[in-house]
Amino acid sequence: QSVLTQPPSASGTPGQRVTISCSGRTSNIGSYYVYWYQQFPGTAPKLLIFRDNQRPSGVPDRFSGSKSGTSASLAISGLRSEDEADYYCATWDDSLSGRVFGGGTKLTVL
Amino acid sequence: QVQLVQSGAEVKKPGSAVKVSCQASGGTFNSYAVTWVRQAPGQGLEWMGGIIPIFGSTNYAQKFQGRVTITADESANTAYMELSSLSSEDTGVYYCVRDTRAGPELERIHLYSYYYMDVWGKGTTVTVSS
Repeated sequence: QSVLTQPPSASGTPGQRVTISCSGRTSNIGSYYVYWYQQFPGTAPKLLIFRDNQRPSGVPDRFSGSKSGTSASLAISGLRSEDEADYYCATWDDSLSGRVFGGGTKLTVL
Repeated sequence: QVQLVQSGAEVKKPGSAVKVSCQASGGTFNSYAVTWVRQAPGQGLEWMGGIIPIFGSTNYAQKFQGRVTITADESANTAYMELSSLSSEDTGVYYCVRDTRAGPELERIHLYSYYYMDVWGKGTTVTVSS
């Protein structure tokens, strides 16, 4: 069981807006930045969002991150078929003195 | 843009050890940290540990304490992850990641928690089988 809780799956139709949640505690999300990673099958993860809501260069502005208290969210607007992938949240946890990941959310574009 | 070049796939016997390397091509590990992440077949991402090469300081996940050793050779821009006492549960893909500092505060650069995973290697498949 992961320290950060994500829904195992999410779905949407092309053009829709989808959000993926990431729930944690004061010792992790409540105290540290949250990061989001996108992973396609058979490939390495890629940084999607850093410092809660910042996009690395090259990441479309359709992707956005937010955080409130001990929860964070990744929003994808104008959903496209190429967004179908696994998404992971990550942060630091003071109680564990280590990095923690969410269990991952498989996004399906219907 | 830096690329992380990892060593090739490994097949190991239970009880043995594996050592995976990760070389920064087109860049260095100076001012960065290096993290190792494991992904078992069909499973999610699992943090194993990391190192800040300029300080030589390491952080390990409790799960791997005593079994994993992460080192770095700054002169060769290469990091290593050695995992011992292998079992079939260690089968998976092992990723090397270059971590970037989360901000400009120099007084925090010795803290591994101050870094975040940025550039990922392609992964090294380790299969443990008798």
